[in-house]
Amino acid sequence: EPEVTQTPSHQVTQMGQEVILRCVPISNHLYFYWYRQILGQKVEFLVSFYNNEISEKSEIFDDQFSVERPDGSNFTLKIRSTKLEDSAMYFCASTGHQLSYEQYFGPGTRLTVT
Amino acid sequence: SQQGEEDPQALSIQEGENATMNCSYKTSINNLQWYRQNSGRGLVHLILIRSNEREKHSGRLRVTLDTSKKSSSLLITASRAADTASYFCATVGDSNYQLIWGAGTKLIIKP
Repeated sequence: EPEVTQTPSHQVTQMGQEVILRCVPISNHLYFYWYRQILGQKVEFLVSFYNNEISEKSEIFDDQFSVERPDGSNFTLKIRSTKLEDSAMYFCASTGHQLSYEQYFGPGTRLTVT
Repeated sequence: SQQGEEDPQALSIQEGENATMNCSYKTSINNLQWYRQNSGRGLVHLILIRSNEREKHSGRLRVTLDTSKKSSSLLITASRAADTASYFCATVGDSNYQLIWGAGTKLIIKP
């Protein structure tokens, strides 16, 4: 069964460093999402992406964040200058079309900022 | 912004019993979804119920939706140890497609 994959599974970085989290959505999906979950807290929407552009973003998704689909398979989340409060699980999700609504999630990347 | 809130925050029951979790939200929705998350793992979609539906079944899962009360419930019948996980509700609004999540219910099934 097709699945969303994410790499790395765990990333440790120092405050102020740039990180890139990678996702490979399901191959025929068109809509892509990033969410984050700070330990013990709710899952929070960050951004959605369709047709090579951002379609929605939350207040969390400020200028420090960017997303890119550099080729036909990868979908990346970049944090330019990490802060301690960026430590969280980051989940990528995809769906075939918006009206299907059901999103398929990757296993997540645990980001630890020290 | 709309927000799902689950209760209880934690639920511990014996294997074989039924588990009921509730979710409330604040604004109008297009649909409401339930997801499961095993400890430290990814989110798995369980079931989706649309705003014009009142009840939906999938295997041992039964979901209800009361749009007048802005609430939903997830019932897991004949629980198993493997059902131990956190369960989240998430809503999709009328004008966007992002999922807005509740805080989750941590379910523990005791063998």
